[in-house]
Amino acid sequence: EVQLVESGGGLVKPGGSLRLSCAASGFTFSSYSMSWVRQAPGKGLEWVSSIGSISSYIYYADSVKGRFTISRDNAKNSLYLQMNSLRAEDTAVYYCARDRIAADYYGMDVWGQGTTVSVSS
Amino acid sequence: EIVLTQSPGTLSLSPGERATLSCRASQSVSSSYLAWYQQKAGQAPRLLIYAASSRATGIPDRFSGSGSGTDFTLIISRLEPEDFAVYYCQQYVSSPRWTFGQGTKVEIK
Repeated sequence: EVQLVESGGGLVKPGGSLRLSCAASGFTFSSYSMSWVRQAPGKGLEWVSSIGSISSYIYYADSVKGRFTISRDNAKNSLYLQMNSLRAEDTAVYYCARDRIAADYYGMDVWGQGTTVSVSS
Repeated sequence: EIVLTQSPGTLSLSPGERATLSCRASQSVSSSYLAWYQQKAGQAPRLLIYAASSRATGIPDRFSGSGSGTDFTLIISRLEPEDFAVYYCQQYVSSPRWTFGQGTKVEIK
């Protein structure tokens, strides 16, 4: 079964750090680009960051640039998001998603269940 | 920066009715790079449509997508009870690299 499982969320104080993980199974992880997407309480989806299959590219939303770092370990079938200098506005459910990109864009076709990050004093 | 604007914000319809959802881009988007997602309460999003009009694996044919340039549409031909959810359009490529619309909620009338 193709699956993504996020972990690492929790409650953190403003200015603190968290590292999210996403464990992939059921597919060849190293063949796919991956993304993080978040959703603040009661709000819509916001793209956060994406990384190429062999880390050939890395992109960040302006709202997290300089504070968040995306990475992956293809040997461990895992995706990570290191979040530093956290702010209240980073409070959200964070989803990892498999991103199908070739000559065309085939969408984020597999999603994890999400992990909740709460930033509060 | 490209912005995707979805309308209406909320669509109140009855089961069996047709739903028409709009996604308008602030500048032209290649139809190859436009996707639609469905999200039910408490669940992760699910890919419905990619490349503007191609259904993702396992998506019923009552869902269809169309459009080009700056105007894209998702149609649900006959609403089933499980279709009441929030729908998002998404573009890829134009800066920022990935963008979602703000969503359209399809609710039971």
